[in-house]
Amino acid sequence: GAVVSQHPSWVICKSGTSVKIECRSLDFQATTMFWYRQFPKQSLMLMATSNEGSKATYEQGVEKDKFLINHASLTLSTLTVTSAHPEDSSFYICSAYSGAGVRGAQYFGPGTRLLVL
Amino acid sequence: DAKTTQPTSMDCAEGRAANLPCNHSTISGNEYVYWYRQIHSQGPQYIIHGLKNNETNEMASLIITEDRKSSTLILPHATLRDTAVYYCILGSGNTGKLIFGQGTTLQVKP
Repeated sequence: GAVVSQHPSWVICKSGTSVKIECRSLDFQATTMFWYRQFPKQSLMLMATSNEGSKATYEQGVEKDKFLINHASLTLSTLTVTSAHPEDSSFYICSAYSGAGVRGAQYFGPGTRLLVL
Repeated sequence: DAKTTQPTSMDCAEGRAANLPCNHSTISGNEYVYWYRQIHSQGPQYIIHGLKNNETNEMASLIITEDRKSSTLILPHATLRDTAVYYCILGSGNTGKLIFGQGTTLQVKP
């Protein structure tokens, strides 16, 4: 159980284009999803917290107009990188939170590798 | 900033138990201790978490000291596939928010 998928797994795009990444919790409902970014040889950096039906909360330093997050249902959140530039090339990972308490944990997707040319 | 301290790297012989320590001296009462691992180029994998009692599942055991200021993740019989970066993270049981530190790179050797 607790499977999270991401699509696409790889994307290459030209500078200036927008890229949408989907994150789905396949076997549980997630009121909260998280988006992370990871650069080579670095740890994961939390970008934003996404709650179903409300606006995302962005971490300090993350541009909300550049990284658009939509959490339209309890099983789907999307991250759109708008007007992507080479410096946005990174490994983007989402996670879905299964709920509070003893059984609550974040379950991560496999990640999306973005290369902006 | 991450609120846990882990060794940068560790080695373990295949088939032996791997004991990964974590210090979290500033843990607050409602924070859980979570362990995740990340194998190269993949998303992190949930291992185990606990509040104050020791926990065990099919993957590992988590030993939390009585004062909750430190914990140890135990992989009972390490295999080569357990080579990964292991993250010890304090998380709010209410929000689920996790802030990753640098983790411990565990190298399992034949």
